[in-house]
Amino acid sequence: QQQVKQSPQSLIVQKGGISIINCAYENTAFDYFPWYQQFPGKGPALLIAIRPDVSEKKEGRFTISFNKSAKQFSLHIMDSQPGDSATYFCAASKEGFKTIFGAGTRLFVKA
Amino acid sequence: DTGVSQDPRHKITKRGQNVTFRCDPISEHNRLYWYRQTLGQGPEFLTYFQNEAQLEKSRLLSDRFSAERPKGSFSTLEIQRTEQGDSAMYLCASSPFGSEAFFGQGTRLTVV
Repeated sequence: QQQVKQSPQSLIVQKGGISIINCAYENTAFDYFPWYQQFPGKGPALLIAIRPDVSEKKEGRFTISFNKSAKQFSLHIMDSQPGDSATYFCAASKEGFKTIFGAGTRLFVKA
Repeated sequence: DTGVSQDPRHKITKRGQNVTFRCDPISEHNRLYWYRQTLGQGPEFLTYFQNEAQLEKSRLLSDRFSAERPKGSFSTLEIQRTEQGDSAMYLCASSPFGSEAFFGQGTRLTVV
């Protein structure tokens, strides 16, 4: 069920740089697009989420950009820090039900 | 800690044995989900409960898998006659209606 495609698979960014992760979805019925952060041995934790009636949402250093016509959305991490090193998953769902995840992006922030 | 709780955190079992995992959701969350995550992949949906009713099961959930949520509170996931391909992290999540899912720490299953 490859309904959410995520890229890149891995990303190396210098401390203070911008990390950008992209996702594309297929099902136009999706109405909720969360991003999850996962550290090794832990469950995914919700980072930030957006609904398709909004083109951008910012929370601290994290920003989601959403392009409904292109069926694409992206996560930008500003001023990336070594503590941001983790795996990031984009996801999509309809009404928060049966969330479909991308394959993940392993981010490494170099000090 | 009022988050989603899963038990055990790790389970090693021999092929052919049965295993059972438990999930305690955040109280008052009426939705409960089970996901499976293999190394390097995103979580894959297995099944979903609305209160005590199991409303959807993925094709990934073979006949060897069964899940219950008696009284709409905690949930159990049982795998019968385990196979090496069942080795994965089993994640439980809960949510209020129409909201984001909150995940537990997962149960890592290793079948030897």
